[in-house]
Amino acid sequence: DQQVKQNSPSLSVQEGRISILNCDYTNSMFDYFLWYKKYPAEGPTFLISISSIKDKNEDGRFTVFLNKSAKHLSLHIVPSQPGDSAVYFCAAGINTNAGKSTFGDGTTLTVKP
Amino acid sequence: NAGVMQNPRHLVRRRGQEARLRCSPMKGHSHVYWYRQLPEEGLKFMVYLQKENIIDESGMPKERFSAEFPKEGPSILRIQQVVRGDSAAYFCASSPRLVGMEMNTEAFFGQGTRLTVV
Repeated sequence: DQQVKQNSPSLSVQEGRISILNCDYTNSMFDYFLWYKKYPAEGPTFLISISSIKDKNEDGRFTVFLNKSAKHLSLHIVPSQPGDSAVYFCAAGINTNAGKSTFGDGTTLTVKP
Repeated sequence: NAGVMQNPRHLVRRRGQEARLRCSPMKGHSHVYWYRQLPEEGLKFMVYLQKENIIDESGMPKERFSAEFPKEGPSILRIQQVVRGDSAAYFCASSPRLVGMEMNTEAFFGQGTRLTVV
């Protein structure tokens, strides 16, 4: 049973437009959520996180929204840039040790110039 | 401050051999996490270690896999008698303390070791 799901394997967006990546989870114990970006042949790089006590967290062009009742979160990138093209992983954990996280299978974002 | 260093980057082993994967955490980091990524999948947690202690190995296969993080030196993930299904990318991450909002810290990942079993 996959506890963190990213239902869109890929997403293509025009440069300058908004990219919206979605993630659903099933485990009610999760209270800390993270987004990672990964380039080929590299390790994941932390982007942004959100705790379950919030419904939004913003950092520059990146905003994460959390809907606890729907067990859904999304990552918005505005404006999208070609350098944002990568695989994005949603991860969920328990705040006491979110280093042990459950990852989704990733969404490959392509931003076209 | 160098990042998390994993070596080797690529490792080829024949079935039945042993694979040893090394991870040197960032300076000052005493928490180490190992993850495995199968093709077309996300990362799967394997084990969490602090210096000289295994804290959580709930994601580790019961047989053939072991991990250590000695007082001196890198963390080692050891896979004995490898099989083709062990072929994957193995990532190590480190943090200075527990990861989470209250701790206001994140885990930093290495570039991974790609293990191929032939």
